[in-house]
Amino acid sequence: DTEVTQTPKHLVMGMTNKKSLKCEQHMGHRAMYWYKQKAKKPPELMFVYSYEKLSINESVPSRFSPECPNSSLLNLHLHALQPEDSALYLCASSQGLQGGQPQHFGDGTRLSIL
Amino acid sequence: EDQVTQSPEALRLQEGESSSLNCSYTVSGLRGLFWYRQDPGKGPEFLFTLYSAGEEKEKERLKATLTKKESFLHITAPKPEDSATYLCAVPPYNTDKLIFGTGTRLQVFP
Repeated sequence: DTEVTQTPKHLVMGMTNKKSLKCEQHMGHRAMYWYKQKAKKPPELMFVYSYEKLSINESVPSRFSPECPNSSLLNLHLHALQPEDSALYLCASSQGLQGGQPQHFGDGTRLSIL
Repeated sequence: EDQVTQSPEALRLQEGESSSLNCSYTVSGLRGLFWYRQDPGKGPEFLFTLYSAGEEKEKERLKATLTKKESFLHITAPKPEDSATYLCAVPPYNTDKLIFGTGTRLQVFP
């Protein structure tokens, strides 16, 4: 069982809908990440939060809006998505890559945009 | 430029047939090289961290090794349940990012 929990596991939404993805970790990690993964491709970084502050935004379109309410929770708010946004969205946490500590991933949310 | 390259892209093995996966990297100031296993529809599962050339880590049928330019994941007498995509990744200097290789898709047949 993974120590990073993501909900929901599956999500189908229309292009005009608003939805949120949730991620929770209880390992005391100070960094949390959102990734997007397409089939047969490696994970692609979207956002990094460090000590609850957004530290990296990889030029992600504004229809994706991250939020870190506290050190254990990470949300990704979705609005007006496009069909090409259909993918597996992964959350990860780490004590900090700069200290050589690995990221631990959740099992993702499979998102389908109709 | 920081870069990670994995080979082969795909590998088909008979059960019991040992082999190795390669991860070549170029990064300034290596602070760790990570190996992950990913099953279809799941998130990457952390396997190993290697920090310095000459280091080796083992877990069941898997052994990871590291040189100054590459890492190998050796699979000894694989079983069908070892079938997965294996990813390696390195963090560039002074960032919280990970650079992933494109992965090796391993299939082990009975």
